[in-house]
Amino acid sequence: ETGVTQSPTHLIKTRGQQVTLRCSSQSGHNTVSWYQQALGQGPQFIFQYYREEENGRGNFPPRFSGLQFPNYSSELNVNALELDDSALYLCASRPNRGGTEAFFGQGTRLTVV
Amino acid sequence: AQKITQTQPGMFVQEKEAVTLDCTYDTSDQSYGLFWYKQPSSGEMIFLIYQGSYDEQNATEGRYSLNFQKARKSANLVISASQLGDSAMYFCAMRDPRGSSNTGKLIFGQGTTLQVKP
Repeated sequence: ETGVTQSPTHLIKTRGQQVTLRCSSQSGHNTVSWYQQALGQGPQFIFQYYREEENGRGNFPPRFSGLQFPNYSSELNVNALELDDSALYLCASRPNRGGTEAFFGQGTRLTVV
Repeated sequence: AQKITQTQPGMFVQEKEAVTLDCTYDTSDQSYGLFWYKQPSSGEMIFLIYQGSYDEQNATEGRYSLNFQKARKSANLVISASQLGDSAMYFCAMRDPRGSSNTGKLIFGQGTTLQVKP
């Protein structure tokens, strides 16, 4: 039990639609990262938020965006969904100070049809 | 460029035996962190063990140990006394040392599927 929860666990969307995935981090974890994991692959870093501001981004287009809220929750938004966006989306949080590991949620499996 | 390579797509091990999962990394930075995560079929990434680049001793956490060979840029995971519950996907990852001090970006390898046989 990592204390990081994601919702929903599974989701099916149609190409061209928009989707919002949610993550609730542990209290005190003010850094949250989002990863995309295609089937059979390792997770790929999408972006990171620290104190409600984006402070790192991977090689993902602008239609991937995020928000972080003061209550340690965050969102990943994807616009204009494409078939290749089908993947497991993982949220990871860590405290600003102390600790080295990131704590992951169980992920949201998104299927785009 | 930072890169993690795991060359074993799948591994089998007999219950109660030890197994080594290979990981090599590529970085030009002197300060970095290496991680191993376990991912069961449920999807959640479970942290196993961490090794800092300046740590002189190999990290150990219960049945997990990390065989860190800095000159060879390898960070192999050793699982002793394998259990059926160890069957899962295992990922080696490196924290990207570039960027701000708060950057927690992890670079993952392709993963190794471990199956423990009874």
